[in-house]
Amino acid sequence: QKEVEQDPGPLSVPEGAIVSLNCTYSNSAFQYFMWYRQYSRKGPELLMYTYSSGNKEDGRFTAQVDKSSKYISLFIRDSQPSDSATYLCAMSVRKGGSEKLVFGKGTKLTVNP
Amino acid sequence: GAVVSQHPSRVICKSGTSVKIECRSLDFQATTMFWYRQFPKKSLMLMATSNEGSKATYEQGVEKDKFLINHASLTLSTLTVTSAHPEDSSFYICSAGGLAGDQDTQYFGPGTRLTVL
Repeated sequence: QKEVEQDPGPLSVPEGAIVSLNCTYSNSAFQYFMWYRQYSRKGPELLMYTYSSGNKEDGRFTAQVDKSSKYISLFIRDSQPSDSATYLCAMSVRKGGSEKLVFGKGTKLTVNP
Repeated sequence: GAVVSQHPSRVICKSGTSVKIECRSLDFQATTMFWYRQFPKKSLMLMATSNEGSKATYEQGVEKDKFLINHASLTLSTLTVTSAHPEDSSFYICSAGGLAGDQDTQYFGPGTRLTVL
């Protein structure tokens, strides 16, 4: 079993839809969870950074962490064509930029106008 | 804040030549820099971790003599692909780890696409 599982999709939704992206993980030592957005042929861009279980909201984006179920989610409200990208979940055991991240495979999202 | 640049963005070279890729953190000091490789429709594969002034730590299966990493300062790391071959063609991405704003996490460069003919 891989440490981090993420459905690669592709996921295609109409503009304005609510998008739900998910990852599961097996290592209970993971404490810090991130979501990155990667446009084609570009580097990943940090979207959300969470630590505790529960929800964190930033504009149209909500990150949810359920440590008991080892499950994290990213919700995108009122999705826009510009949200079309690959979304990668990542996690680490300890806090800080010096820590290794373990990535999911990424989910490719297309938002159709 | 938290800008990481990579140069070049794209390089095409002949088999057997060496290629150097630079990674710079432009507005913060990176205590650690990471080098990743990404194949089409695949996730990021960590190649190595480097700290300023120290030897890089390579992941299992990554040839350290082929992928030379130098981390000369808190804002610059270089990856040199030596004697490149077509199977080394890939998208190489660096990240810089450090405190930028209120987040101490990794920030990624835009990537370098290497094509070896």
